[in-house]
Amino acid sequence: QKEVEQNSGPLSVPEGAIASLNCTYSDRGSQSFFWYRQYSGKSPELIMFIYSNGDKEDGRFTAQLNKASQYVSLLIRDSQPSDSATYLCAVSRLGGGNKLTFGTGTQLKVEL
Amino acid sequence: GAVVSQHPSWVICKSGTSVKIECRSLDFQATTMFWYRQFPKQSLMLMATSNEGSKATYEQGVEKDKFLINHASLTLSTLTVTSAHPEDSSFYICSARDLLQGRNTGELFFGEGSRLTVL
Repeated sequence: QKEVEQNSGPLSVPEGAIASLNCTYSDRGSQSFFWYRQYSGKSPELIMFIYSNGDKEDGRFTAQLNKASQYVSLLIRDSQPSDSATYLCAVSRLGGGNKLTFGTGTQLKVEL
Repeated sequence: GAVVSQHPSWVICKSGTSVKIECRSLDFQATTMFWYRQFPKQSLMLMATSNEGSKATYEQGVEKDKFLINHASLTLSTLTVTSAHPEDSSFYICSARDLLQGRNTGELFFGEGSRLTVL
């Protein structure tokens, strides 16, 4: 079992729709959860991080965390073509020295 | 956010040569930097943790004699791929945490990445 699992996609949504990206993790000691966006050939850039169970909203993005289910998701509202990228889920554990374990990423395509 | 810069952004070399990649934190100090490698359509895999003033910590399966890491100052870490072979061709990305800004968030700031192609 991979430590961080994501559906590789591609996930295709029409412009203006809500894109839902999901991630599960195996280490119950995980404390911090991050969503990064990576455009082709570029390095990752942070979208959001979340620590506590529940929802965290930032503009068009909402991160959801359920530690009991070991599940974290990212919702993108009013999806734009510029949102087309690979979204990487990453987790770190308390005392892990900020080492992030990444999922393989989900490719999102927002179509006109 | 904090800025991490990598150089070179891309490099092509012959098999058997060594390549050095630099990672600099431009506006903050980083006692720890992380080196990742990403093959096409795969995730980022942590190679090693670079510690300022001490030896790097390598992940299982990463050859420390092949991937030499030096972290001589609080703003610079280097990764040298020695005797590079075609299978070392990959996208190498460094990251660092701002001691002040990232302390409570655990956020890592990534460099632009260095694409290595070994012929």
